[in-house]
Amino acid sequence: NAGVTQTPKFRVLKTGQSMTLLCAQDMNHEYMYWYRQDPGMGLRLIHYSVGEGTTAKGEVPDGYNVSRLKKQNFLLGLESAAPSQTSVYFCASSFRTGPNYGYTFGSGTRLTVV
Amino acid sequence: RKEVEQDPGPFNVPEGATVAFNCTYSNSASQSFFWYRQDCRKEPKLLMSVYSSGNEDGRFTAQLNRASQYISLLIRDSKLSDSATYLCVVGRNFGNEKLTFGTGTRLTIIP
Repeated sequence: NAGVTQTPKFRVLKTGQSMTLLCAQDMNHEYMYWYRQDPGMGLRLIHYSVGEGTTAKGEVPDGYNVSRLKKQNFLLGLESAAPSQTSVYFCASSFRTGPNYGYTFGSGTRLTVV
Repeated sequence: RKEVEQDPGPFNVPEGATVAFNCTYSNSASQSFFWYRQDCRKEPKLLMSVYSSGNEDGRFTAQLNRASQYISLLIRDSKLSDSATYLCVVGRNFGNEKLTFGTGTRLTIIP
């Protein structure tokens, strides 16, 4: 059982380049999320999805787009990368609710924009 | 004011000691509460949910005070392996939707 898998694990982009981060989960979770984590800022929600075909904005959505065409996958796109998007990106998934619920996180993507 | 606030630490505690962290939240309508643990350069992992009546899991005890809007985590008989950053997490609804993470409290257990 792989849980939540993020690809790639590391990436260096030049300003203005685009890229897509892939998140895949095999736990049949309804909810999926993209967070970024920066020193002193904690985890901040970028976008999230409550089911296949749905997406919604989080706290810091500008400069990012997402898609959830299949229940198990949640893609995060950077259309034109900026140095301010240098961060560690975490994907997470969860059931909607239930006992002992919580997020399962992927291992993260370390992105540097130069 | 941040929605979830924690003392960033670091807390440097000798092995075997008891340590406690507090976390305050600003939204009085919050319904779900958790503690997560994050090791250096790793992903956060759920440590325990926090229930209104308080709950215990081995050496870990979590308490919720709705009147004062704070959550606490107590670690007894601390181990070297407890060294990590502890994240306080609050949700507006019952369930998992849109949890808000604190910036974390860093704990180092000293041999």
